[in-house]
Order: sequence, then C-alpha cells, then structure tokens
Amino acid sequence: QQQVKQSPQSLIVQKGGISIINCAYENTAFDYFPWYQQFPGKGPALLIAIRPDVSEKKEGRFTISFNKSAKQFSLHIMDSQPGDSATYFCAASSGLTGGGNKLTFGTGTQLKVEL
Amino acid sequence: GAGVSQSPSNKVTEKGKDVELRCDPISGHTALYWYRQSLGQGLEFLIYFQGNSAPDKSGLPSDRFSAERTGGSVSTLTIQRTQQEDSAVYLCASSLGLSAVEQYFGPGTRLTVT
Repeated sequence: QQQVKQSPQSLIVQKGGISIINCAYENTAFDYFPWYQQFPGKGPALLIAIRPDVSEKKEGRFTISFNKSAKQFSLHIMDSQPGDSATYFCAASSGLTGGGNKLTFGTGTQLKVEL
Repeated sequence: GAGVSQSPSNKVTEKGKDVELRCDPISGHTALYWYRQSLGQGLEFLIYFQGNSAPDKSGLPSDRFSAERTGGSVSTLTIQRTQQEDSAVYLCASSLGLSAVEQYFGPGTRLTVT
C-alpha cells in the first residue's frame, strides 16, 4: 500500500508564529510532492509543490523542506495568520516519471491560528 | 478562466437508488481525476481520464461505481444501488495533461445516502 503519513493531526499556533506540518512517504517512485489547503465546504486548493531534485522551495510565507534520504517533507508557514486556519494535506505522485498522476494524500492537519 | 465545476453541490438519496455526479474541468485540461473524501478514509483516488479513456480505474471501490467522459470534457461518475458507506464528498480535479502534475480541484459534491 502506497502511504503518506502526516502529522500532527491538529495544530494550534499563535498569530505571527511558525506552523510546521510533517509528512513521510514510503514509495521511492514518488517524484512530485504538493501541499493542498482546504477550507470548510471547499475543494482542496494547490498551495505549493516540490520535486525531489531540490531540498527547499519557498513561495511567500510558505516553504517546503524536502529530505530525500529520509523520505520526509514538511510545510512551514511563517508569520501564521488567522486566515491560514484551514486543513492542510500533503500528497505525492509519481507523475513526472510516468508512474501515473494519481495523488496519494496524507490524512490532513487541522491548523488553527489564534489571535 | 473558470475553475473546475461540479454538480450538484449536494445530493441526498435513499439507499438503493442510483446517482450521477457531474464534473466540468478547466477548459483545455485533458486529464480529469475523481477522488472521494470521507471521514474514515480521508482523500482517496478513484479514477482518472486522459481524453475519453480511463487508464487507471484502480480506486473504484466496487462494480457499483462507474465513470465516463465524453468529448474530452465533461465527466460523469455514476453510483448504482447506493449504500450508506457511499456517503462522502466526491471531488473532481483536472490538469493540463498527464505530463502536467498540477491538479486543480472543484468544490465537490456532498453525497448523503439515507
């Protein structure tokens, strides 16, 4: 079974703090690792993604750190804001190397940013 | 342009009835995916289409589930003889093609089987 394990299940951060969500995968054929943000009643929205040939990618306040040898990747949200309160999903696929684009998702992290 | 659209947004049906869920992908996107989101199973892949063909149906949970895509655009997911365990949010996503890994999701259809 191809799995992506995500932690923590829930997270409370103070406004302005750093939110960190971690994921680990087993399948070494995975070559694309996106993060999705989901608000209640909405579909997941692509936030940021990374490929295994780089160790870090930053877009605004969002950074992915990738450790290929450990088969782990994480999302860092800097200067967390109440508007960041949502559920975050990590995912993985092997689409870049022709293994299929279907996404395997982590179980999700409910983030709450408090004032 | 417009994003992925899905209809209906909510569907309540009685156990044993058939339902059809519709997905309209982003214009120009040739790849289309169906996922299911439920409390017990999280987000799980069902099937994907490249054009009108479905190279991977491995996630369909039973033969009560089927999907088709016509004209390389709109797709319909059909669930026959619905069961209570089919209650979930059914999500559709699309991408530019199989070589494009970025998938963009629609708002989903919430299916409740009573």
